[in-house]
Amino acid sequence: DTEVTQTPKHLVMGMTNKKSLKCEQHMGHRAMYWYKQKAKKPPELMFVYSYEKLSINESVPSRFSPECPNSSLLNLHLHALQPEDSALYLCASSQDLAGAQTDTQYFGPGTRLTVL
Amino acid sequence: AQRVTQPEKLLSVFKGAPVELKCNYSYSGSPELFWYVQYSRQRLQLLLRHISRESIKGFTADLNKGETSFHLKKPFAQEEDSAMYYCALNIGAGNNRKLIWGLGTSLAVNP
Repeated sequence: DTEVTQTPKHLVMGMTNKKSLKCEQHMGHRAMYWYKQKAKKPPELMFVYSYEKLSINESVPSRFSPECPNSSLLNLHLHALQPEDSALYLCASSQDLAGAQTDTQYFGPGTRLTVL
Repeated sequence: AQRVTQPEKLLSVFKGAPVELKCNYSYSGSPELFWYVQYSRQRLQLLLRHISRESIKGFTADLNKGETSFHLKKPFAQEEDSAMYYCALNIGAGNNRKLIWGLGTSLAVNP
């Protein structure tokens, strides 16, 4: 399996709901990323995990809570989101963070999130 | 300050014409640069990385440290090249490595 998969593809949630986004890869990659992407804009980095430990949090509000249960899986838990959080949420993985050869990032298709 | 600049928001060319998407960077360290492409309704995917010095789908990009540029070129554009193109720069060290992105250039190749 040479792809990053994300579920669900689409998610609609209210501001009081709790939901989770899931990302999976079976390429043996040890770095995983969450990005937020608005239409026609570049991805904005949210979190980076390296060897299942959180290594970067780009000052993301606490209503977004990442989790890396194992080296293949990355979750993003959502609670009390705002309408402005509506976006495409992208997951990516790379072999590691050691250098340009090995931290080339491979992206999932994204979860389209709508917050009502 | 670390920065990636793509000066053209939109580039429109005719099929068969040459195309050049510009990317300039600002970084005090040794630059590691990438081009990513996002076709309509498809995932963001790597097109080129400068260390590989390869040609993918007819595209090439050369790192010019003197001009701090990493422009993407193709001699004969095809309609299927229509997409959003992002230039990205790897910054940081160790577990703090991350990409910073240009704002992207939307390429439209007209028949």
